[in-house]
Amino acid sequence: AQSVTQLGSHVSVSEGALVLLRCNYSSSVPPYLFWYVQYPNQGLQLLLKYTSAATLVKGINGFEAEFKKSETSFHLTKPSAHMSDAAEYFCAVNPPYSSASKIIFGSGTRLSIRP
Amino acid sequence: GAGVSQSPRYKVAKRGQDVALRCDPISGHVSLFWYQQALGQGPEFLTYFQNEAQLDKSGLPSDRFFAERPEGSVSTLKIQRTQKEDSAVYLCASSLGRGQTNNSPLHFGNGTRLTVT
Repeated sequence: AQSVTQLGSHVSVSEGALVLLRCNYSSSVPPYLFWYVQYPNQGLQLLLKYTSAATLVKGINGFEAEFKKSETSFHLTKPSAHMSDAAEYFCAVNPPYSSASKIIFGSGTRLSIRP
Repeated sequence: GAGVSQSPRYKVAKRGQDVALRCDPISGHVSLFWYQQALGQGPEFLTYFQNEAQLDKSGLPSDRFFAERPEGSVSTLKIQRTQKEDSAVYLCASSLGRGQTNNSPLHFGNGTRLTVT
């Protein structure tokens, strides 16, 4: 079964520092992978997605993620954190070319930004 | 254009009461999903509609949960005889394409926070 594991339920970085949020997936074939962001009291918003094209995916707000099949990882990065990046981030997976209709979310990583 | 709209925004129910949660998807979106998000957790899939057809309800936790989308647009998630463990945020999402095996992203509403006392 498809699943994602997000390492670290809470990450805190200083403003201007590198942001690295980790996600590992389990799948027998390369799946579709997503990162979503959730601001307080709001729904989820798509940051970026991997659909078997380029392995380095650029998203909104300066975020990017790299698909590494050898490591079964899809870590999210941003070179320089901004205060407005403070939110909950979810990695999600969906197998391609299957009848599965749903995507599976990780448990989330809360990102805090220190001034 | 308007995004996915959910109502009510907050709902408090006494244990045993029935509740109905509404979702207005983006106009023209074929796919509609319901997710349950417990505090501090990621969203958990409940059910999926393609137009008016409920193609997957494998995530509904019990037969007290029922969802419908009779005209292929607005959807209602109904929970009968609510229990405390039903307390969560219920998220609705819609997508232009069919299912999630395509390039159409999910567009989420802000959710309904249900508290069962």
